[in-house]
Amino acid sequence: DAGVIQSPRHEVTEMGQEVTLRCKPISGHDYLFWYRQTMMRGLELLIYFNNNVPIDDSGMPEDRFSAKMPNASFSTLKIQPSEPRDSAVYFCASSPLNEQFFGPGTRLTVL
Amino acid sequence: GIQVEQSPPDLILQEGANSTLRCNFSDSVNNLQWFHQNPWGQLINLFYIPSGTKQNGRLSATTVATERYSLLYISSSQTTDSGVYFCAVEVTYNFNKFYFGSGTKLNVKP
Repeated sequence: DAGVIQSPRHEVTEMGQEVTLRCKPISGHDYLFWYRQTMMRGLELLIYFNNNVPIDDSGMPEDRFSAKMPNASFSTLKIQPSEPRDSAVYFCASSPLNEQFFGPGTRLTVL
Repeated sequence: GIQVEQSPPDLILQEGANSTLRCNFSDSVNNLQWFHQNPWGQLINLFYIPSGTKQNGRLSATTVATERYSLLYISSSQTTDSGVYFCAVEVTYNFNKFYFGSGTKLNVKP
């Protein structure tokens, strides 16, 4: 298996623009997680899905953030409108039940 | 919420030295994982170890869930071991929600 795939790997955008991050989990994994990593706050769980259904979105910072999982092999995290404080590395992870496997991350810079 | 504390926060080793990294957690956990974040930012699974001891080459880990800590041992360290080591725990009262420690930053010098 190719592992968790994320795209793009790097994204630079201007404040106010919409940003969409994409994730393809490992085939057969029922759980998908979105994390954000910053120097100040470390690794934070934003939201996770089980069988394509959002289970816990308590970590989503505000209404500007939304996540979807239309099918078992694809998820998106959208920020609209983006702000400079959203600059971070966003990781997607998937899990068959307990052990999590991370993608390479998307480094987002909002100018 | 649960507190996950890792020590030491920073560690400098000479190549070939051994080290022990510690992860303490403040509540009962279902699961625990150790990760290595390499200098390129990739998070690599080291161990899935809710309890007991596991070994993988020069690395081994021990979790004593009843005493709420886990240890990661690195023997004969190499420069490629440099990076940040994270432990992550899943609490018993919140299935599948993992909490990460702040990490131990390791620098192995040649």
